[in-house]
Amino acid sequence: ETGVTQTPRHLVMGMTNKKSLKCEQHLGHNAMYWYKQSAKKPLELMFVYSLEERVENNSVPSRFSPECPNSSHLFLHLHTLQPEDSALYLCAPHQARAGAYNEQFFGPGTRLTVL
Amino acid sequence: GQNIDQPTEMTATEGAIVQINCTYQTSGFNGLFWYQQHAGEAPTFLSYNVLDGLEEKGRFSSFLSRSKGYSYLLLKELQMKDSASYLCAVKANTGFQKLVFGTGTRLLVSP
Repeated sequence: ETGVTQTPRHLVMGMTNKKSLKCEQHLGHNAMYWYKQSAKKPLELMFVYSLEERVENNSVPSRFSPECPNSSHLFLHLHTLQPEDSALYLCAPHQARAGAYNEQFFGPGTRLTVL
Repeated sequence: GQNIDQPTEMTATEGAIVQINCTYQTSGFNGLFWYQQHAGEAPTFLSYNVLDGLEEKGRFSSFLSRSKGYSYLLLKELQMKDSASYLCAVKANTGFQKLVFGTGTRLLVSP
């Protein structure tokens, strides 16, 4: 149990659908990240929210739209996706601590398949 | 640019020792992480190095040489459950945590 939940765990959607991924953290961390993991590719950072403000958008297409209403919740809204967007989407809360290493926890992920 | 290199796949037998190498070329360096990821699951943290040398944690150890842009993860007394992918990641920036990941090394442990 990592204190991070993601829903749904699996999602199949058509290219014209609109869906949302949800992440909830119970760690009290003040930053939240979305990562994408495609087959045979490195984990890619998509977005970073710090204190509910987006601080990083890693050249992600606009068909992905993040939302962070508070420090415990993070959403990724999806619309008109492409088959190449099929991947594992991981939420990762983080709390920077001075003088200590900054372990990055990951949620269990949502396995997304776009048909 | 940022580049992290790891072998794609390795095999080893139960009880043996295996070393997984990672080399990096990044614009900056503020720490190197190793993660374990079982198939279909999220990565879990194994180790962190920011200074040169060896960090030991039970059966797992991680080494760093910043001058060589090199790290390795050493797994001793291998068990079947160690079959997984091992991800090397570098924090190249200062400020918020932005990790650059390698593609991972898939380790298969056989009886």
